[in-house]
Amino acid sequence: DSGVTQTPKHLITATGQRVTLRCSPRSGDLSVYWYQQSLDQGLQFLIQYYNGEERAKGNILERFSAQQFPDLHSELNLSSLELGDSALYFCASSVASAGGDTQYFGPGTRLTVL
Amino acid sequence: GESVGLHLPTLSVQEGDNSIINCAYSNSASDYFIWYKQESGKGPQFIIDIRSNMDKRQGQRVTVLLNKTVKHLSLQIAATQPGDSAVYFCAENPYNNAGNMLTFGGGTRLMVKP
Repeated sequence: DSGVTQTPKHLITATGQRVTLRCSPRSGDLSVYWYQQSLDQGLQFLIQYYNGEERAKGNILERFSAQQFPDLHSELNLSSLELGDSALYFCASSVASAGGDTQYFGPGTRLTVL
Repeated sequence: GESVGLHLPTLSVQEGDNSIINCAYSNSASDYFIWYKQESGKGPQFIIDIRSNMDKRQGQRVTVLLNKTVKHLSLQIAATQPGDSAVYFCAENPYNNAGNMLTFGGGTRLMVKP
């Protein structure tokens, strides 16, 4: 158990809908990262937050947004869902924000868009 | 359920043998490298890391080798056990970014035969 928690574990929804994925980092970690894992794209970095502020952005679609709250938990919002958004979404956390800081991953949320 | 691509390279080894999993990384500016293990239905689990100022690092039953000249990383697992069966990912952390994003390789599936 990495200490990173994610809810829900599974999510099934329809195209055009909006969902929110939630992540709680390990105790003491200030950075939260979101990654998407799909069959054709592998594990891809989406976005990083550090102590409430956006720190780095990857291949995140405009339909997706994230935030980190004062208690350091984070939410990833996915809107206008398409079939291709079906994937595993992982959250990771680390103590700091700089390069070389080990990231620990949560168990993931499996999103299925029908 | 499976969480990675259908066409992963696969390494099949006999229980008790040593395993070597290879990875070619892309960014010569990367200065931090990590190996993760992902079991079916779970999130990536940290195994071992290495910084660019080293060429070898050992952990418990695992060794990571880094060859910066040819941008190659390898993970050696000694006395491979059935519990080592999983998909293994290498990840790199480019130095020249403000945050701590990881770029993952495509993964290698390790199958351990009893």
